[in-house]
Amino acid sequence: QSVLTQPPSASGTPGQRVTISCSGSPSNIGRDTVNWYQQLPGAAPKLLIYINNQRPSGVPDRFSGSKSGASASLAISGLQSEDEADYYCAAWDDSLNGYVFGTGTKVTVL
Amino acid sequence: QVQLQESGPGLVKPSETLSLTCTVSGGSISDYYWSWIRQPAGKGLEWIGRIYSSGYTNYNPSLRSRLSMSVDTSNNQFSLSLRSVTAADTAMYYCARRQWELDAFDIWGQGTMVTVSS
Repeated sequence: QSVLTQPPSASGTPGQRVTISCSGSPSNIGRDTVNWYQQLPGAAPKLLIYINNQRPSGVPDRFSGSKSGASASLAISGLQSEDEADYYCAAWDDSLNGYVFGTGTKVTVL
Repeated sequence: QVQLQESGPGLVKPSETLSLTCTVSGGSISDYYWSWIRQPAGKGLEWIGRIYSSGYTNYNPSLRSRLSMSVDTSNNQFSLSLRSVTAADTAMYYCARRQWELDAFDIWGQGTMVTVSS
């Protein structure tokens, strides 16, 4: 049961900027940090952004994250063909006492 | 380089118990939280639960009544047991590590597909 809401799809041409939203509640994004995961076709998810806006080593700086209140967003600048993937936000939920994932957004490079 | 590998039966009969093990290699299982996450084909990710190396657990409320997890520190493994399975439990099952400093799942297994069918 996903309690974090994302748009099902987003798209752009190479070089464009794409933004994905993640809407939560005071019990999850509103009081805890947000992470973003990238899942390429047929692969396991990979950590893309941690603690709202930090990139693990090896993640290009065209990926950026932000958080405001109970919502978060992921931006991909300079979209590339290899960015075609599913993207998920995630956070700890104090009411459920567990992690919750977003509904997922499929990014298509036109 | 820490790696995770899931193992277990790929086919489970309805009403039976799904059992999976995740083996941690290249590092210690101690002092981390270890999670199970699943993904039905074509659908999103669902957190199943987590276990600390001491044995402390948190479970997804929607699965708690059928779920148990255990850890074997001597063999660097942790396990999942899901009872009374139905077709709705058919999914790719991943194990993952929560990294303290990143407060995120930084390492994932490749996943193992489990089908519930008679």
